[in-house]
Amino acid sequence: AQSVAQPEDQVNVAEGNPLTVKCTYSVSGNPYLFWYVQYPNRGLQFLLKYITGDNLVKGSYGFEAEFNKSQTSFHLKKPSALVSDSALYFCAVRDGGSNSGYALNFGKGTSLLVTP
Amino acid sequence: DAGVTQSPTHLIKTRGQQVTLRCSPKSGHDTVSWYQQALGQGPQFIFQYYEEEERQRGNFPDRFSGHQFPNYSSELNVNALLLGDSALYLCASSFSGGARMTQYFGPGTRLLVL
Repeated sequence: AQSVAQPEDQVNVAEGNPLTVKCTYSVSGNPYLFWYVQYPNRGLQFLLKYITGDNLVKGSYGFEAEFNKSQTSFHLKKPSALVSDSALYFCAVRDGGSNSGYALNFGKGTSLLVTP
Repeated sequence: DAGVTQSPTHLIKTRGQQVTLRCSPKSGHDTVSWYQQALGQGPQFIFQYYEEEERQRGNFPDRFSGHQFPNYSSELNVNALLLGDSALYLCASSFSGGARMTQYFGPGTRLLVL
């Protein structure tokens, strides 16, 4: 079984400060990990993914994420937050094994609020 | 390059009715997945269609069915609607050529069942 945990319902940060949104995962095989962002009344926008290779993954809008296999984590980060980054962030995992299927398993989401 | 499109954007139905939601994938994509996102929750996988067949199904009852057409577009049908079916329904498309396919999402259809 695959699962994702986002331990924080909400993260508050001041504009210009670094931000971190936490995600831990559980899969039986190799993890394929994704971050998506959702603005109010909108669908999900893809930010970045980790499949293999460098543990630090860079994505859209200045976001990056660090894959940590020993801690089974994939935290989303940004060096300097913008007010426009305020949105709902979802971490998702898929088991990369050949017979494990194609469904993405999502966390419950973390609401990011960046204040001016 | 058009992204994933869905129609309608909003829909209101009553219990027991049937509904059909539509999705057109991103150009070059041949695989469509459907997700249900209840209020305050993360998306839940319903099923995925590839080559006009259901390739994988999540934990949803048979009231939920789908179809994929030769042009890769897809429909989600829900029969005998329940109040609990009220949610945002998201379609995601991807390209099957490679195991690391990223799913790109449409804006969703918000369904309200009264």
